[in-house]
Amino acid sequence: EPEVTQTPSHQVTQMGQEVILRCVPISNHLYFYWYRQILGQKVEFLVSFYNNEISEKSEIFDDQFSVERPDGSNFTLKIRSTKLEDSAMYFCASGQVNTEAFFGQGTRLTVV
Amino acid sequence: AQTVTQSQPEMSVQEAETVTLSCTYDTSENNYYLFWYKQPPSRQMILVIRQEAYKQQNATENRFSVNFQKAAKSFSLKISDSQLGDTAMYFCAFIDRGSTLGRLYFGRGTQLTVWP
Repeated sequence: EPEVTQTPSHQVTQMGQEVILRCVPISNHLYFYWYRQILGQKVEFLVSFYNNEISEKSEIFDDQFSVERPDGSNFTLKIRSTKLEDSAMYFCASGQVNTEAFFGQGTRLTVV
Repeated sequence: AQTVTQSQPEMSVQEAETVTLSCTYDTSENNYYLFWYKQPPSRQMILVIRQEAYKQQNATENRFSVNFQKAAKSFSLKISDSQLGDTAMYFCAFIDRGSTLGRLYFGRGTQLTVWP
């Protein structure tokens, strides 16, 4: 069964460093998303991506964040100059329009 | 704006018993999907069940069923014959079917503990 895969499963980085979280969406999906979940809190939408551009972003997704689909299969989230409050579980998801989103297993980001 | 409310932060149930998790939502849209996702301690998000708003029949997936009350904007999840492996955080979620964006709106979650 096709699935969304994310790498790495856990990333530890120093405050101020840049990180890139990687995702391989399900191959025939057209919509890609990043969500995050701070420990013990709700799942928050960051950004959606369709047709090689951002289609929607939340207020969380400021200039510190960027997304890219560099090679037609990978979908990346870059966080520049990480802050302590960026520590969270980051989920990639993909889907067809108007259907459920399929989530990857998540990347746990720890900023120290 | 769409909002999803789960008023039960925690629930517990004994193994083999039945438990119902509550969810209400607010939207001005008429065509949408509702979902329940399960997040076990591994923290992966797993789709449990989905309901299409235009369908009157409540969705069922094995031991999991929903009670969808569109007029009341209520979408509860019933777990029958609870198993220890059902212990997880459960999130109710909403998607606007009329939107091309496909963004999910989540509730804050209900932590379900199944005890022996």
